[in-house]
Amino acid sequence: AQSVTQLDSQVPVFEEAPVELRCNYSSSVSVYLFWYVQYPNQGLQLLLKYLSGSTLVESINGFEAEFNKSQTSFHLRKPSVHISDTAEYFCAVSEVGAAGNKLTFGGGTRVLVKP
Amino acid sequence: GAVVSQHPSRVICKSGTSVKIECRSLDFQATTMFWYRQFPKQSLMLMATSNEGSKATYEQGVEKDKFLINHASLTLSTLTVTSAHPEDSSFYICSAVRDYGYTFGSGTRLTVV
Repeated sequence: AQSVTQLDSQVPVFEEAPVELRCNYSSSVSVYLFWYVQYPNQGLQLLLKYLSGSTLVESINGFEAEFNKSQTSFHLRKPSVHISDTAEYFCAVSEVGAAGNKLTFGGGTRVLVKP
Repeated sequence: GAVVSQHPSRVICKSGTSVKIECRSLDFQATTMFWYRQFPKQSLMLMATSNEGSKATYEQGVEKDKFLINHASLTLSTLTVTSAHPEDSSFYICSAVRDYGYTFGSGTRLTVV
């Protein structure tokens, strides 16, 4: 079984400032890692994922995350946030292997970007 | 890209009635779909895994007779909340798997009055 911990439930940040959302996981097997964003009353949209290869993954809208196996972490960062980045962010893991394995989510981090 | 359509987006029903929520993969075939429940300001809780042509696998604590899941085709899974009560009011989200990508529907806000 896996578990995911997002250490910060809320992160207020000023526009154009950097932000980091922390994610740590626990698993007895190898995992794939994901970050999703959720806007109010909507489903989840994939930001980025780590399956294999380079431990630094990037999204098209400026976010990046680095897989650190020794620290079992997958922190999400953005060097300069916009008002439109205000949303809920979820870190998730799934077991390596079968493509249909379920996702285990962290508790979420609410990012509030202030002008 | 992979698109998952979920309907309805909002539904209000009377206590004791049943509500059906549909989840369709529009441009791909999904042998596996997942149903989640999300309470306000909380994370997603997996309710069940829906596999085409077989019975759904429910998570511990989820009443299978109350939350009926049918995955009759490779593009459609349905969740029926039977004999709904106010405590079933929640945001329900489905997800379909394609390769190693999980695509989510836009969610259904269920309010039971």
